[in-house]
Amino acid sequence: EIVMTQSPATLSVSPGERATLSCRASQNIRNNLAWYQQRPGQAPRLLIHGASTMATGIPARFSGSGSGTEFTLTISSLQSEDFAVYYCQQYENWPPTWTFGQGTKVEIK
Amino acid sequence: QVQLVESGGGVVQPGGSLRLSCAASGFIFSSQAMHWVRQAPGKGLEWLALISYDASNKYYLQSVKGRFTVSRDNSRNTLYLQLDNLRPEDTAVYYCAQGDRNGYNYGVSWGQGTLVTVSS
Repeated sequence: EIVMTQSPATLSVSPGERATLSCRASQNIRNNLAWYQQRPGQAPRLLIHGASTMATGIPARFSGSGSGTEFTLTISSLQSEDFAVYYCQQYENWPPTWTFGQGTKVEIK
Repeated sequence: QVQLVESGGGVVQPGGSLRLSCAASGFIFSSQAMHWVRQAPGKGLEWLALISYDASNKYYLQSVKGRFTVSRDNSRNTLYLQLDNLRPEDTAVYYCAQGDRNGYNYGVSWGQGTLVTVSS
């Protein structure tokens, strides 16, 4: 089983600042990684797939990078609506099963 | 636009059953693989099951195999999840998600979820 580990658990950032979130896979997942945003009381929203490809309608301040076992989600200038929990998810497995990281909460500093 | 609306959640006793539904619109449901994911209160996301576009392939999280059954009715644009022999640890919000173009990789669109509470 591929285990996904996110860090930090909580990130305190001021509006307008840059946020950098990390996700590590327990084995090589190539670029088979997605990132989601989940605001309180809402469903997850796809941000990025293929480690760095933006989903439709996602603002350009979001970007993803990495491959293999180390991945990063960067929010270049935090807006109020970006304070949320972010999850990474791998899709390297076959048969297909998704495993998620435990999430990183981005909170207002 | 894509819309996914879950229903069927509620309070059930341990050992009981529920059937969740996910009504889909805004895309060609019969061409799309679908997933179920859950989230226990205050916890992270846990993938549960995948069904291919024509229901010929189904995959499950090992820990729910034999208790949960995914199915679909393409004539009704509806996805289902049958939950049997429920346990308190199954208490969660259950989401349906539309798979990507490949179907298996990630969730492109998600419903708002339906809450299942297992308690005596």
